[in-house]
Amino acid sequence: EDQVTQSPEALRLQEGESSSLNCSYTVSGLRGLFWYRQDPGKGPEFLFTLYSAGEEKEKERLKATLTKKESFLHITAPKPEDSATYLCAVLGSGGSNYKLTFGKGTLLTVNP
Amino acid sequence: GAGVSQSPRYKVAKRGQDVALRCDPISGHVSLFWYQQALGQGPEFLTYFQNEAQLDKSGLPSDRFFAERPEGSVSTLKIQRTQQEDSAVYLCASSLTGDQPQHFGDGTRLSIL
Repeated sequence: EDQVTQSPEALRLQEGESSSLNCSYTVSGLRGLFWYRQDPGKGPEFLFTLYSAGEEKEKERLKATLTKKESFLHITAPKPEDSATYLCAVLGSGGSNYKLTFGKGTLLTVNP
Repeated sequence: GAGVSQSPRYKVAKRGQDVALRCDPISGHVSLFWYQQALGQGPEFLTYFQNEAQLDKSGLPSDRFFAERPEGSVSTLKIQRTQQEDSAVYLCASSLTGDQPQHFGDGTRLSIL
């Protein structure tokens, strides 16, 4: 069974204070690792897909990286508008090769 | 709009009532998914459609839950004889194919009194 563990559960940063969120996963044959952002009362918003170890993707202040066991979401010089819950999900090649397995998310708060 | 649309956004029902939740996926998306999200948790898979075919319903909590997508576009999630534990946000997602990024609607927040 695919498993995803995200840490920390919550993170408070000052504006401009860079940090990283962690996503550890166990999956039988990774077909993709997905990062989403979720604002209160909204659905998850797609950010990145990573397919293989060593891959990196960037979007504005966010950079996602992938190893064989975990992914990191690096946030550089965050702004208050980056405050949200960040969700990590995996797509495995086991029996359910279309079902995303999500972690519980990291609640990021960026104070001005 | 170009995104996934869900209605209603909020639904309050008394225990024992039946409810129906609607999802309009992105036009042309073959795959459609339903997830359930409890407070403080990540979304959990309920069921998956490829066009009109329901290929996986292994995540549906009980036989009170039923989903359909008769014409391969709009989908409805129906919950019969609702219970308090059914209270959650129900999210719909669609993708071009099963392994492409899934794009989510804003969900229906269901409260059972």
